[in-house]
Amino acid sequence: NAGVTQTPKFQVLKTGQSMTLQCAQDMNHNSMYWYRQDPGMGLRLIYYSASEGTTDKGEVPNGYNVSRLNKREFSLRLESAAPSQTSVYFCASSESVRQPQHFGDGTRLSIL
Amino acid sequence: EDKVVQSPLSLVVHEGDTVTLNCSYEVTNFRSLLWYKQEKKAPTFLFMLTSSGIEKKSGRLSSILDKKELFSILNITATQTGDSAIYLCAVLADTGNQFYFGTGTSLTVIP
Repeated sequence: NAGVTQTPKFQVLKTGQSMTLQCAQDMNHNSMYWYRQDPGMGLRLIYYSASEGTTDKGEVPNGYNVSRLNKREFSLRLESAAPSQTSVYFCASSESVRQPQHFGDGTRLSIL
Repeated sequence: EDKVVQSPLSLVVHEGDTVTLNCSYEVTNFRSLLWYKQEKKAPTFLFMLTSSGIEKKSGRLSSILDKKELFSILNITATQTGDSAIYLCAVLADTGNQFYFGTGTSLTVIP
């Protein structure tokens, strides 16, 4: 029972490099999300996809892009990584946008 | 701007103690409040509260919402070391699609 699977689990990048974080869910959920979690800041929403074919900005979208590839998969791309993007990134999914979310185990990303 | 504040920031208790975690919020057109438990990795869902004064309960954990005073509490009775985690509160406004999370309360239960 995989739930929400994120890859990779860890990554180190140099400033200016690009990177795509992958997320897949096997619960047939309609909505998917990307959050970042920083010490003292809590979870902040980057982008979400209410349903297949739609994406919307969250609280902190600058420097990121997303793609809802199909119902199962939602990727997050950093085009030109910056040290301020060092964080733990969580993908989540839910049946619909106002329902409790199921989270993946996170990707720890460090940008030097 | 919508805001969710959790207190205390951290808490250390002994096994068997009872703890109360607080979540206060300032959200326009409140719809629902959720509690999550985060151990080492993924946050896991505990409760969803939408109505004032109705207690949600699961084993030793319970939660209640006060929509008039704009807060919720999460109670854990007879704490165990497995309760050690960060407890997150999140609030959804009726006019939006995103949950706003507090910074969490870090609970440590020592044997």
